[in-house]
Amino acid sequence: DTAVSQTPKYLVTQMGNDKSIKCEQNLGHDTMYWYKQDSKKFLKIMFSYNNKELIINETVPNRFSPKSPDKAHLNLHINSLELGDSAVYFCASSQGDSGGAATQYFGPGTRLLVL
Amino acid sequence: GNSVTQMEGPVTLSEEAFLTINCTYTATGYPSLFWYVQYPGEGLQLLLKATKADDKGSNKGFEATYRKETTSFHLEKGSVQVSDSAVYFCALRPDSWGKLQFGAGTQVVVTP
Repeated sequence: DTAVSQTPKYLVTQMGNDKSIKCEQNLGHDTMYWYKQDSKKFLKIMFSYNNKELIINETVPNRFSPKSPDKAHLNLHINSLELGDSAVYFCASSQGDSGGAATQYFGPGTRLLVL
Repeated sequence: GNSVTQMEGPVTLSEEAFLTINCTYTATGYPSLFWYVQYPGEGLQLLLKATKADDKGSNKGFEATYRKETTSFHLEKGSVQVSDSAVYFCALRPDSWGKLQFGAGTQVVVTP
């Protein structure tokens, strides 16, 4: 059973398009995250939701809009895609978050290539 | 602010060699510390963690000890295998919501 799943796994698209990446977790966790990994493997958090409420919103262009329809899902919509958006996007989840010790479980990643 | 610094890679080793990946951090308060591993083409997996000073995390032959006096969390394994080839990330989380902060990652290549 996949704990944290993402679709699609690969996404190739043209500049200027709008695309969405979906994430689902079946771990019963109440907190979900989106991370971006650039070509040098550097990972940076983008957003975090707890019980469907946004709790972290890093300095991310407003072309990126997360949506959490329920605790098990956190989708990422990207408008007007740019070349610099090419990266691997990872979804993660954890149970609770305060205190910092909760383990985050990562999805397999979505490899986005903008042409 | 908080930050994590880990040694640059790639680190190339022969099978059965000893592996050390250095990780040091800057943080206020008492963060939790983690090592994640990313195998080629896959997502990140938690390898081990430590939540307070002098804690030792261990898993799959890997170990790391939370050293507050040197603000370090070095990863070690006594005898690596080819299957340990991956990118290893050191990370911290402060005493607050969210924000797992990663180091730049260290690629490890183990040759037969």
